[in-house]
Formats: sequence, structure tokens, C-alpha cells
Amino acid sequence: NAGVTQTPKFQVLKTGQSMTLQCAQDMNHNSMYWYRQDPGMGLRLIYYSASEGTTDKGEVPNGYNVSRLNKREFSLRLESAAPSQTSVYFCASSPAGQFGHQPQHFGDGTRLSIL
Amino acid sequence: SQQGEEDPQALSIQEGENATMNCSYKTSINNLQWYRQNSGRGLVHLILIRSNEREKHSGRLRVTLDTSKKSSSLLITASRAADTASYFCATAVSGSARQLTFGSGTQLTVLP
Repeated sequence: NAGVTQTPKFQVLKTGQSMTLQCAQDMNHNSMYWYRQDPGMGLRLIYYSASEGTTDKGEVPNGYNVSRLNKREFSLRLESAAPSQTSVYFCASSPAGQFGHQPQHFGDGTRLSIL
Repeated sequence: SQQGEEDPQALSIQEGENATMNCSYKTSINNLQWYRQNSGRGLVHLILIRSNEREKHSGRLRVTLDTSKKSSSLLITASRAADTASYFCATAVSGSARQLTFGSGTQLTVLP
């Protein structure tokens, strides 16, 4: 019953460093998403992947890249971290169907601080 | 941009009381979803209501949708301390159903 698993759970980076956030789901879902959550705000979509082999930009894609490695895994990369990217990052997945019409299943997040 | 806005931002009630949270949105939607987030955890889906539905129930949860007013409400009856969490509405916008747009949430505290 793992659902959506995110690693790492916590990370501290220095400005300019790079890192990759990992996400894996075991529910055989087609669609996967990366969000960021900042204090007092809802989730904002960074990138999503409708299906294996496709990725699209969301609301706030600048400074990020993604890779849909296979149906299970969707990674988020920060090439040159900036303090403005300090946030909690959530990965989610949903079954096949028109986007937004299916409930999304979330991981427990990666708390990222950039000094 | 935030499509949905929850009201109130924070709500504190006694155990056993009912809690009502509201969500307003700006554009036509295909469906509206409510999620709960416990402190330090990811979001958990609670209920989905489609634009052609007016009311939906799930256990102690009751959701209403008024598309003419572009608003929805979430009612939690007979609240428990375990209901303490943040609650978010999320909209799937008609004609642009490629993402959910989340509001900023209502922080509910249920006092024992």
C-alpha cells in the first residue's frame, strides 16, 4: 500500500547547487504531477505528465526540468537552485481519463530549503 | 493564478460541532474536488462533485455546488479532533481540463 513515494523527505541546498527529486507510484496510474506548496498558498503545478513519454509545463515551470522515466517514475530536477525555490514539493498521480476529472493521489512531500 | 478561494482562512470549533467551509471560483468548471491535508503530510482526496451535480455526501461530509454563484461548500458534521487539518478545494476548469487549480485552503482546528 505504498501509493506515491517521494525521496528525499528533506533536503538543504546551497544556491547554485543542483538536485533531483524522485517520485514513484505503484498504482499503475497514467498521469503524474509535480506541485510546489508555499506558506499560505495552495498548490501550484510545476509540470505534469499525461502518460509515459510526455511532459507539459504547468503554472510555474521556470527553473525546473522533469523526466518521465517510465510509467512508475517521474523526477523533478533543479539545475541551479535559487532561494525562491525553497518550498515543499509534492508529487501526485491519477488514473487514465481526462485531466482534472480524476482524483489525484499525493506523496508526503519533499521539504526543500535553499540557502 | 488561484481559481478557488476558500473562506474562512481559519476555523476553530469544539468537538461535536459542525464545520462549514466555502470555496469560490472564477470560471466555468467541469468538476470541483475537496482535499484534506494533515500537518506534514500530502493531500488526501475527499470528494469530487461534477458541474451537473448540486449535492454529494460521503460519510460525515456533505458538499454542495452552486454553479450560478460559482461556489461550493464543504460541511463536516459532528466534528472530531482527528478532523483537524487544512482543507482545499480544487477546480478542473472547463475546456482546459489539463490540471487542477487549488485554493489556498482553510485551516480547521477541532478542540477536544
